[in-house]
Amino acid sequence: GAGVSQSPSNKVTEKGKDVELRCDPISGHTALYWYRQSLGQGLEFLIYFQGNSAPDKSGLPSDRFSAERTGGSVSTLTIQRTQQEDSAVYLCASSGGQRERETQYFGPGTRLLVL
Amino acid sequence: AQSVAQPEDQVNVAEGNPLTVKCTYSVSGNPYLFWYVQYPNRGLQFLLKYITGDNLVKGSYGFEAEFNKSQTSFHLKKPSALVSDSALYFCAVSPGGGSGYSTLTFGKGTMLLVSP
Repeated sequence: GAGVSQSPSNKVTEKGKDVELRCDPISGHTALYWYRQSLGQGLEFLIYFQGNSAPDKSGLPSDRFSAERTGGSVSTLTIQRTQQEDSAVYLCASSGGQRERETQYFGPGTRLLVL
Repeated sequence: AQSVAQPEDQVNVAEGNPLTVKCTYSVSGNPYLFWYVQYPNRGLQFLLKYITGDNLVKGSYGFEAEFNKSQTSFHLKKPSALVSDSALYFCAVSPGGGSGYSTLTFGKGTMLLVSP
């Protein structure tokens, strides 16, 4: 079946602009996660949605970062007033199903470059 | 707090030889452990996991890993390496238990280079 998809695959923006990154999880997966991969920091958790529960935002690095998940499916990660240190690959993952709740399947990522 | 250590930035092995990529973790309780692989300009691909049961788990592409609770390790192994195994490998841990849903803490990754 279809995996996790993310768009755009690449995004170049100027410092101070807002960007939106999209994630389409695997159909039927109730949990959705955002991670960031950068050279200096490795793979970092950002935010996590599970069903109708309040999202776990504990990994968001600043209040410029926010995310929402509409209808329990598609998620958008928004970065306001981008800074050069926001340059990274943003990875989305989803998990679910009766027998594989703990296994996260990742999308190809969005590579963000802030000039 | 939970943490994962991958002590080797890079592992070099000749094709056909066995390979080991090391991982140790620090988590209280009974964690879940994972290995993922990342090819250039791609996302992370799930290889295998340990949840409970047999300490030796088998995964995709002939990879296996052994959970050792006393040594808090979860080393990735393969009996015979292929050039196509060359990639970046990540070990990850989650706290385990509960609903099963939880965020992952990753190691810094180990680059595996398999020479012909």
